Amino acid sequence: DTEVTQTPKHLVMGMTNKKSLKCEQHMGHRAMYWYKQKAKKPPELMFVYSYEKLSINESVPSRFSPECPNSSLLNLHLHALQPEDSALYLCASSQDSILTGPNTEAFFGQGTRLTVV
Amino acid sequence: KQEVTQIPAALSVPEGENLVLNCSFTDSAIYNLQWFRQDPGKGLTSLLLIQSSQREQTSGRLNASLDKSSGRSTLYIAASQPGDSATYLCAVKETSGSRLTFGEGTQLTVNP
Repeated sequence: DTEVTQTPKHLVMGMTNKKSLKCEQHMGHRAMYWYKQKAKKPPELMFVYSYEKLSINESVPSRFSPECPNSSLLNLHLHALQPEDSALYLCASSQDSILTGPNTEAFFGQGTRLTVV
Repeated sequence: KQEVTQIPAALSVPEGENLVLNCSFTDSAIYNLQWFRQDPGKGLTSLLLIQSSQREQTSGRLNASLDKSSGRSTLYIAASQPGDSATYLCAVKETSGSRLTFGEGTQLTVNP
């Protein structure tokens, strides 16, 4: 099983709303990532979690708040977003354990298409 | 800062043709290079992973090569099919922070 599951698939939210994106993997991967992808552009890294601790924050605005409650689950909490935050949000995971090291394959979910109105 | 470039940006070929997609990167301090496929509005599907110590990987009609010292990789697709139509992205995993940095992609169209 190489599946990364993201919910919801589509989300429309107002600028004053609070919503959350969810990502799950059951491959025992210890690194999990959030990427943002605008139309016809490559994915851009937002956050990296390693062993459930935030290891990289690519200077993302505080209206995006990541959370890793356990080794299988990654959330992205959204609050007071702007229309320009509308994009495809992708979650990924990779093994990157103490045993394997960081030289492992990344697997992506199908993404959440977010529209901010 | 790592920069990844893919050439060409778009490619249209008739069915059955063999084709090559190119990827170059500026910093050779990488753990691996990965090729992905993305269909419109969908997530990324991993095609091939090449470790930094490897020169080549094959899966079915796909063959990827890596020359780390020159910062280049190619993805060779044999006997292309309309179902191969998609955007192909290469990404390098950097040794600093384990970031995966993507190229802009090559949009491939295979015409029946």
